[in-house]
Amino acid sequence: QITLKESGPTLVKPTQTLTLTCTVSGFSLTSSGVSVGWIRQPPGKALEWLGFSFWDGDQRYRPSLKGRLTIIRDTSKNQVFLTMKNMDPTDTGTYYCAHRPDSGGFHFWGQGTLVTVSS
Amino acid sequence: QSVLTQPPSASGTPGQRVTISCSGSSSDIGSNTVNWYQQVPGTAPKLLIYANDQRPSGVPDRLSASKSGTSASLAISGLQSDDEADYYCSAWDDRLNGPVFGGGTKLTVL
Repeated sequence: QITLKESGPTLVKPTQTLTLTCTVSGFSLTSSGVSVGWIRQPPGKALEWLGFSFWDGDQRYRPSLKGRLTIIRDTSKNQVFLTMKNMDPTDTGTYYCAHRPDSGGFHFWGQGTLVTVSS
Repeated sequence: QSVLTQPPSASGTPGQRVTISCSGSSSDIGSNTVNWYQQVPGTAPKLLIYANDQRPSGVPDRLSASKSGTSASLAISGLQSDDEADYYCSAWDDRLNGPVFGGGTKLTVL
């Protein structure tokens, strides 16, 4: 049974750095073709892909966030981390991590964690 | 503004068939497969369709999807009250080198 769970702060101040953790179970982060994606959703708005951690250790980021966003993993702990610098109120939203197999699509999602950026 | 275009709303009565459209471009739907998600407000999205028309285990066959050119559509037949949710299409975007999503369609069961 594949599960993912996000954890981290619910409130960050503008200009601060956000770090979220995605803890996965039921699959290996190094399974061929598997990636873990980060997706966010501002309140009342659509989903937006942020980045990937790939099975082979590679990462990919949304171009508009490159420079602010870092995704790393700890395979021994089955965790993927998202770090976003210089947070702004427009970054407020629910952040999800999700499992994406080679066949495409995000098949399994975490419950999401709401992050509010406010002073 | 989302890369993929969906109607903001759709509706139907119980038992009816409804379709939700999704329009993209040559760099996303036109050259990659389409996925569909259902999101009940306050919960995480759930994958309904992947690779254009494939249903994950547990998704009923009254849900179907198709793709043609740079457009795709999701059909729900035998509409039920618990189909009331937001629906999102998504496809890989070769320009972004990542997935893009539609703006979402709010389905109301009258």
